[in-house]
Amino acid sequence: DGGITQSPKYLFRKEGQNVTLSCEQNLNHDAMYWYRQDPGQGLRLIYYSQIVNDFQKGDIAEGYSVSREKKESFPLTVTSAQKNPTAFYLCASSIDLGLAGRNGQFFGPGTRLTVL
Amino acid sequence: RKEVEQDPGPFNVPEGATVAFNCTYSNSASQSFFWYRQDCRKEPKLLMSVYSSGNEDGRFTAQLNRASQYISLLIRDSKLSDSATYLCVVNKNAGNNRKLIWGLGTSLAVNP
Repeated sequence: DGGITQSPKYLFRKEGQNVTLSCEQNLNHDAMYWYRQDPGQGLRLIYYSQIVNDFQKGDIAEGYSVSREKKESFPLTVTSAQKNPTAFYLCASSIDLGLAGRNGQFFGPGTRLTVL
Repeated sequence: RKEVEQDPGPFNVPEGATVAFNCTYSNSASQSFFWYRQDCRKEPKLLMSVYSSGNEDGRFTAQLNRASQYISLLIRDSKLSDSATYLCVVNKNAGNNRKLIWGLGTSLAVNP
């Protein structure tokens, strides 16, 4: 079955540590996205990638980094520079960046990150 | 004015009721619109796209009103399993950077 997987489901981190969240898709989608969701707030875009070896900052990229070495994979690193990292992180993909506007985006199950 | 606005609810309705949500958007250039459903502590799932002529999928009907800049979602014959948060999503369509703008959601509770 095609889909998007994220791991781990729950992640605990000590302050000052970097942590990497995994996102893999086998939908053959070109575009991938990272969002965070906080209580009482809408989804906010962190980074997105239209194609392999290319990615762009979203609205709240500070304290985060990404890579896109393979079409299927778009890992997100939450660095110690991110001031409020505790959140629900969602990875999504779409056929391509332009068609996200027509066909929507599809999400993985998310990773809940808690900084202790 | 927020780019996408929704009534947060909660809407409490009995099983079998018909319920409707509206969502207003500020960018008149927006071209694409979606309704997503999100269950508690789960990821959003695409419910339906919203087409200019309106569209229906079973018990769900979506409408677009460009003149007044809002979209609507109508749910007929509500089921307990319809209880969720419904997210309105609009394509910002800013040049080549086509990002989706997400509403905060409308909470629906269908009661037995």
